Amino acid sequence: EIQLVESGGDLVQPGGSLRLSCAASGFTFGSYWMSWVRQAPGKGLEWVANINEYGSQKYYVDSVKGRFTISRDDAKKALYLQMNSLRVEDTSVYYCAREWELEGRFDYWGQGTLVTVST
Amino acid sequence: QSALTQPASVSGSPGQSITISCIGTSSDVGNYNHVSWYQQHPGKAPKVIIYEVSKRPAMISNRFSGSKSGNTASLTISGLQAEDEADYYCSSHVGATNYVFGTGTKVTV
Repeated sequence: EIQLVESGGDLVQPGGSLRLSCAASGFTFGSYWMSWVRQAPGKGLEWVANINEYGSQKYYVDSVKGRFTISRDDAKKALYLQMNSLRVEDTSVYYCAREWELEGRFDYWGQGTLVTVST
Repeated sequence: QSALTQPASVSGSPGQSITISCIGTSSDVGNYNHVSWYQQHPGKAPKVIIYEVSKRPAMISNRFSGSKSGNTASLTISGLQAEDEADYYCSSHVGATNYVFGTGTKVTV
């Protein structure tokens, strides 16, 4: 069974940092692009970042460029999102998702982890 | 990158058909056949129901169908059922490597 399990969400003050993790199982993690997608409370989905299967290509939505860094550890079957200089507007549930890059779809999602940025 | 435009809500009676539009631009929906649709029930993660404009993943009901014309994609749900009540989001590739989602549509049965 394919599973993605996020962790690391927390309450953090504006300007703070947080590192999210996503543990993958049930598939050959190193063969897939992976993405982070977020959803602010009561709002829609927003794609945040993705990384290719080799970790050599990384792409970000404009609003997080220079603040967030996506990475992966294929040996640990883990995806990460380092979030620095957090803003109130970054408050969201963050999902990791397996990506079929050639088809432009996300076929498996985790349950999400909540990041709250507030004083 | 601006979100793709969807109607905020669509409603229908059981057994009816409804269509949700997803309006983009020539940089996203109009430029790629990588349009997907996701269904999200409250408190749950999204689930892909349509990809590459009109393809259905295994185990997804054939009551769901997708199409595209120019910069607008559409999702049709036929034979509406109570379990179809959920939020629906379209998405598209933009710039070949990035993605943009739609604003989301709440479907009420």
